[in-house]
Amino acid sequence: QKEVEQDPGPLSVPEGAIVSLNCTYSNSAFQYFMWYRQYSRKGPELLMYTYSSGNKEDGRFTAQVDKSSKYISLFIRDSQPSDSATYLCAMKSGFQKLVFGTGTRLLVSP
Amino acid sequence: NAGVMQNPRHLVRRRGQEARLRCSPMKGHSHVYWYRQLPEEGLKFMVYLQKENIIDESGMPKERFSAEFPKEGPSILRIQQVVRGDSAAYFCASSPPSGGSTDTQYFGPGTRLTVL
Repeated sequence: QKEVEQDPGPLSVPEGAIVSLNCTYSNSAFQYFMWYRQYSRKGPELLMYTYSSGNKEDGRFTAQVDKSSKYISLFIRDSQPSDSATYLCAMKSGFQKLVFGTGTRLLVSP
Repeated sequence: NAGVMQNPRHLVRRRGQEARLRCSPMKGHSHVYWYRQLPEEGLKFMVYLQKENIIDESGMPKERFSAEFPKEGPSILRIQQVVRGDSAAYFCASSPPSGGSTDTQYFGPGTRLTVL
């Protein structure tokens, strides 16, 4: 079993839709949770960084962490074609190395 | 303010040759991480370095791979005697010198290695 599970997609939505992206994990030591966006043939770009359970909002993006269920989510409101990318969840315990999901490919059509 | 820089962006090697990948961290950052991304897979941690020290190399293959971060100059990931299975995108990330658990890692654009 992988430490972090993420549906690879692709997830296709029309412009303006609300997008929900999710990851589950098995290691209860994870405390820090991140979402990165990666455009094709580019490096990952940090979108959201959360610690412990709860919600965090930044513009059209909301990150949600449920440590009791070992489940994290990223919501994108009013999705735009420019949001088309691969979204990677990542997490770590007190140590520095990040453990990534495989990424979900999102396609937002005009 | 320049971000993390990696070069070359693309590297082609024949089987048995050596590959050297370079990473310059963001200004003021002293922690460097290397990750590998295989096709259709997420990023996998390889090694974590501070200046002149390897802190965690638990993700590094035992043979042919080595990494360094000298006092002066960029971090180098070196792959000796490359094989086709080494073909992947290699990403470098850096973080600030505080070394705290909450430090954010910022990624470079990656080096895409192709082994013929």
